[in-house]
Amino acid sequence: EPEVTQTPSHQVTQMGQEVILRCVPISNHLYFYWYRQILGQKVEFLVSFYNNEISEKSEIFDDQFSVERPDGSNFTLKIRSTKLEDSAMYFCASSNEKLFFGSGTQLSVL
Amino acid sequence: GENVEQHPSTLSVQEGDSAVIKCTYSDSASNYFPWYKQELGKRPQLIIDIRSNVGEKKDQRIAVTLNKTAKHFSLHITETQPEDSAVYFCAASRKSTLTFGKGTMLLVSP
Repeated sequence: EPEVTQTPSHQVTQMGQEVILRCVPISNHLYFYWYRQILGQKVEFLVSFYNNEISEKSEIFDDQFSVERPDGSNFTLKIRSTKLEDSAMYFCASSNEKLFFGSGTQLSVL
Repeated sequence: GENVEQHPSTLSVQEGDSAVIKCTYSDSASNYFPWYKQELGKRPQLIIDIRSNVGEKKDQRIAVTLNKTAKHFSLHITETQPEDSAVYFCAASRKSTLTFGKGTMLLVSP
């Protein structure tokens, strides 16, 4: 069964550093998303991407965040200058109709 | 934007009992309501979903009901088993972006 894959599974970085989280959505899906989940809390929407552009973004997705689909398979989330409060599990997801999540990247900002 | 409230936050049942988790949503234009199960350290996994043109949907021991007028939807799990223990999230969407509830930790004791 096709799955959304994410790399790395864990990322530790220093405050102020840039990180790039990578995702390979399910191949025939058209909609791509990033969500995040702070430990013990709910899943929060960051951004959706369709037809090579951002279709919707939340208040969390400020100027420090960007997304890119650099080729036909990868979908990346870049955090330009990480803050302590960016520490969370970041889930990529894709859909045509039903939403499927990747296994997540645990980001720890020290 | 959409706001989803979920109750209870924790639910403990004995194996074989039924469990009911309830959600309310605020945006009357929302038309898609999935439920996700998240085991510790894992990705959220879609277990059942319902669209606004349907009042109830069943899949083996799991059922979801929707009351559009009251903007309520509920997850019903019958004959609970220890492996049902997890955090369950409801969600609602109008277009493609899901807004999640805060989750219910279900603990099924043998």
